[in-house]
Amino acid sequence: AQSVTQLDSQVPVFEEAPVELRCNYSSSVSVYLFWYVQYPNQGLQLLLKYLSGSTLVKGINGFEAEFNKSQTSFHLRKPSVHISDTAEYFCAVSNTGTASKLTFGTGTRLQVTL
Amino acid sequence: NAGVTQTPKFQVLKTGQSMTLQCAQDMNHNSMYWYRQDPGMGLRLIYYSASEGTTDKGEVPNGYNVSRLNKREFSLRLESAAPSQTSVYFCASSEAYGRGTRNIQYFGAGTRLSVL
Repeated sequence: AQSVTQLDSQVPVFEEAPVELRCNYSSSVSVYLFWYVQYPNQGLQLLLKYLSGSTLVKGINGFEAEFNKSQTSFHLRKPSVHISDTAEYFCAVSNTGTASKLTFGTGTRLQVTL
Repeated sequence: NAGVTQTPKFQVLKTGQSMTLQCAQDMNHNSMYWYRQDPGMGLRLIYYSASEGTTDKGEVPNGYNVSRLNKREFSLRLESAAPSQTSVYFCASSEAYGRGTRNIQYFGAGTRLSVL
């Protein structure tokens, strides 16, 4: 079985500051990793994904994440956040097998203020 | 460019009432999913349909039924609503269940359900 831990339930940050949202996963097999963003009162939108290849993945809106297999982590980063980045961020994992479901973390609320 | 469409967006029910949440996708995806989202618990899978004509239980199926009406549509039914089913419900679809890169899921905007 696989699992995802998002270590911070809330992250407050000032506009234009850098931010890192942490995600650790557990799986006995190879994985695919995802970050989804949920803006207030909206559905989930895919932010970025790691499927294979380069461990540094770039997504939409200036976000990027790095897959670290040895530390089983997939932390999300942005060098300079905007007010509009205020949202809930979900990390998710699936294994690379043929019958895998997507397992979500509990989410991190990013609150950007002036 | 609709993607995944859910109806209704909001619903209030009394305990014991029944209702059906509708979901339709226009991406020609084979697989569809129903999740519920509760504070501090992330998204939990209720049921999924790997392909037209099949449905399977997810993590929290009790109190729900589903119907894969055709390739486009996947409905979720609450036969006798309970306050514990107050939640936000999301429908999602993917090209193919479990098939590696084809399992990337796309979500609807959600249905906010309150059961009094």
